Amino acid sequence: AQKITQTQPGMFVQEKEAVTLDCTYDTSDQSYGLFWYKQPSSGEMIFLIYQGSYDEQNATEGRYSLNFQKARKSANLVISASQLGDSAMYFCAMREGRDTASKLTFGTGTRLQVTL
Amino acid sequence: GAVVSQHPSWVICKSGTSVKIECRSLDFQATTMFWYRQFPKQSLMLMATSNEGSKATYEQGVEKDKFLINHASLTLSTLTVTSAHPEDSSFYICSAILGAWSNQPQHFGDGTRLSIL
Repeated sequence: AQKITQTQPGMFVQEKEAVTLDCTYDTSDQSYGLFWYKQPSSGEMIFLIYQGSYDEQNATEGRYSLNFQKARKSANLVISASQLGDSAMYFCAMREGRDTASKLTFGTGTRLQVTL
Repeated sequence: GAVVSQHPSWVICKSGTSVKIECRSLDFQATTMFWYRQFPKQSLMLMATSNEGSKATYEQGVEKDKFLINHASLTLSTLTVTSAHPEDSSFYICSAILGAWSNQPQHFGDGTRLSIL
């Protein structure tokens, strides 16, 4: 079974609108962390936001927020007030266990295109 | 600013050449670094976990004799693609963790685009 599933290969959103990128995960660990990264066409991976499995509140970082629904094992990224510069690939990733040196498992990504 | 530096950004070389890629943590010590490979329009696939002072841990299916990893210092890990062939052409990217807190993300270098002719 896939550990991280991103079901939206591509998404379009108009500038200034909000968009939700879906991510579901599968783990039997009680302790885990969920991450979202942005990858522009230039290739670098930019960390956006983190949600820990024990965090009771949804994470927020500026225009990014994470809709964490633990029982449903989903960790959707919400981007508010989209900007043209938000056009990129977005990857959801999970780190299982408490060891911060544990590997990340990435989803297949969602390509977001912001339009005028 | 960038916390992980990767060099070179681009490499084009002939088949049979060995290529070395460097990954440096800037202003922090990284006992663990990670090496990923990404094919066009695909996700990142972990190749190996690089541990300072010890042998790297390779993922299943990754040839350790093909992809040599050396983590000789707390700020530098290198990936050497030995006797590279066209099928090794890919985007290689490294990452490191800044601290031991659970919310610490992996910080990535800018990646290396490798093209084998």
